[in-house]
Amino acid sequence: EAGVVQSPRYKIIEKKQPVAFWCNPISGHNTLYWYLQNLGQGPELLIRYENEEAVDDSQLPKDRFSAERLKGVDSTLKIQPAELGDSAVYLCASSASGGANTGELFFGEGSRLTVL
Amino acid sequence: GEDVEQSLFLSVREGDSSVINCTYTDSSSTYLYWYKQEPGAGLQLLTYIFSNMDMKQDQRLTVLLNKKDKHLSLRIADTQTGDSAIYFCAGEGTASKLTFGTGTRLQVTL
Repeated sequence: EAGVVQSPRYKIIEKKQPVAFWCNPISGHNTLYWYLQNLGQGPELLIRYENEEAVDDSQLPKDRFSAERLKGVDSTLKIQPAELGDSAVYLCASSASGGANTGELFFGEGSRLTVL
Repeated sequence: GEDVEQSLFLSVREGDSSVINCTYTDSSSTYLYWYKQEPGAGLQLLTYIFSNMDMKQDQRLTVLLNKKDKHLSLRIADTQTGDSAIYFCAGEGTASKLTFGTGTRLQVTL
């Protein structure tokens, strides 16, 4: 079974440029998460989707970040314009919703962003 | 919100036991988790414990939970070089939201 797929793995851009990350979750997983992981830190939730609905986007900086999950499968996370402080790894994760245990997240390998 | 704290670094010799510690603040956490992250990879769920349990054992892994002190530990028996990674503790707080610790880097030496 294929895992969570993310692209690109690495992206280097200049500040003020836009960037987008793509995520394909595990087939059948209704819940999709985007996490931000700064160097030496644990992941921090940016946004959580249940199917196509964003049920928790309280930590998403909405002035420059946007996300969508059309059709409730793939998702994209966009930053426009990027700032130096956005350099980090952006992790996508998915889980099967409806279970008693909500912590079984399956993570992709992440997209490492460097803003120059 | 929940705060989860871990020590940053642990070095053990191959074959010894490793104990990674974590403290959390949200006493209402239903589940507590241990995730492993190898270099350049995403996080992988290792094990979890339900909040009404004190201990859970899974092969070389033993999780101990002290709810009174809000302390969680992960013991890895017979630590191998392949166990070298960053280990994250995570608590499930309100609204089924996971909060991760800063991670403990485990270095296994020969």
